[in-house]
Amino acid sequence: QVQLQESGPGLVKPSETLSLTCAVSGYSISSGYYWGWIRQPPGKGLEWIGSIYHSGSTYYNPSLKSRVTISVDTSKNQFSLKLSSVTAADTAVYYCARDVDMGFDPWGQGTLVTVSS
Amino acid sequence: QSVLTQPPSVSAAPGQKVTISCSGSSSNIGNNYVSWYQQLPGTAPKLLIYENNKRPSGIPDRFSGSKSGTSATLGITGLQTGDEADYYCGTWDSSLSRVFGGGTKLTVL
Repeated sequence: QVQLQESGPGLVKPSETLSLTCAVSGYSISSGYYWGWIRQPPGKGLEWIGSIYHSGSTYYNPSLKSRVTISVDTSKNQFSLKLSSVTAADTAVYYCARDVDMGFDPWGQGTLVTVSS
Repeated sequence: QSVLTQPPSVSAAPGQKVTISCSGSSSNIGNNYVSWYQQLPGTAPKLLIYENNKRPSGIPDRFSGSKSGTSATLGITGLQTGDEADYYCGTWDSSLSRVFGGGTKLTVL
């Protein structure tokens, strides 16, 4: 059974870089599929951030592309998100999920990141 | 403002049927598969329907999906109180981006 778990700081200061990691268990990232990040501001809908293949190939949401970097570490079976120059608008629950083209499945439990000084 | 348009809320009584619509364009729904997600209160979204009308293992057949042109619909029959959740549609967009609807809150009266 594939499981994903997000980790990282819950509080980030404005203008700094948000960094999160998603640890995958029950499936080897090297075996295939893309792996993605999705976020959800409090009380709002879902926004896809970007996805990465085990080879390192990425595709990003055009509206966030200039600030996003997603990387993968197959030796640790995990992938990471960096979002630079954050503002209060980046406050959200951040989810990682397996991107199976037909959709995202499964999802991690999510982690709340608050941007505040 | 979401690329895909869903009604903010729908409601129905236990045992009844409800449908949730998802409207897009030829840039997204019109030329791509649609997926649906269920987000129970305080939890992560879960894939409910993929490729317009297919259910992952473990999803009851009370849940169904369909697509016509640039719109998609999620149907839920035999409503249960446990179905109260937010439901999201999702698809690809020609901007090479994954897009979601704004979400629909289902209330089982």
